[in-house]
Amino acid sequence: GAGVSQSPSNKVTEKGKDVELRCDPISGHTALYWYRQSLGQGLEFLIYFQGNSAPDKSGLPSDRFSAERTGGSVSTLTIQRTQQEDSAVYLCASSLTGSGYTFGSGTRLTVV
Amino acid sequence: AQTVTQSQPEMSVQEAETVTLSCTYDTSESNYYLFWYKQPPSRQMILVIRQEAYKQQNATENRFSVNFQKAAKSFSLKISDSQLGDTAMYFCAFMRTAWAGANNLFFGTGTRLTVIP
Repeated sequence: GAGVSQSPSNKVTEKGKDVELRCDPISGHTALYWYRQSLGQGLEFLIYFQGNSAPDKSGLPSDRFSAERTGGSVSTLTIQRTQQEDSAVYLCASSLTGSGYTFGSGTRLTVV
Repeated sequence: AQTVTQSQPEMSVQEAETVTLSCTYDTSESNYYLFWYKQPPSRQMILVIRQEAYKQQNATENRFSVNFQKAAKSFSLKISDSQLGDTAMYFCAFMRTAWAGANNLFFGTGTRLTVIP
């Protein structure tokens, strides 16, 4: 597609459950980023994929968070044993040159 | 570490008037990029304007322009002839240049702008 696609758009889950969030970047974009936006806050960097290099996981808040990117394209962010503080909007972005991102519309995760 | 500060949580402006949103940042890098992003209720982050630190000329995109003061580490956004569609959250962001490693963006906490009819 023409843009970055994220699914689901909204997700409500029970505390303790695992969730998977999907990001489909723009075709050909080598870089992919995940950010978290908590209510009233700016965006918090989570993880970065660049081509076939090892991902930069320095932003992941705990070992309950993980992400993978298969075939250099689609990425999945997994949160295990969700907690209420995980409630946020999770935004994905991709870029080709590293100087300009295209963001998706995000997944709003609500942990109840 | 890079930090980005937006000291105005909320602002409002009358339609057709001009408004300036403030942003300051802290870095030890000499070359980098600065951005303003707009986030309407649809949640999607939309790039408004970009500035490369080595360029002294302030970037301009139609009604949007920046005042980039490198020595002061200041990067304000001016919106002229404000329109109702400009109502959104505005985020200032910093990024190191491509050859300095991971190109993740560092964001400020945002300014909520409301354009009043």
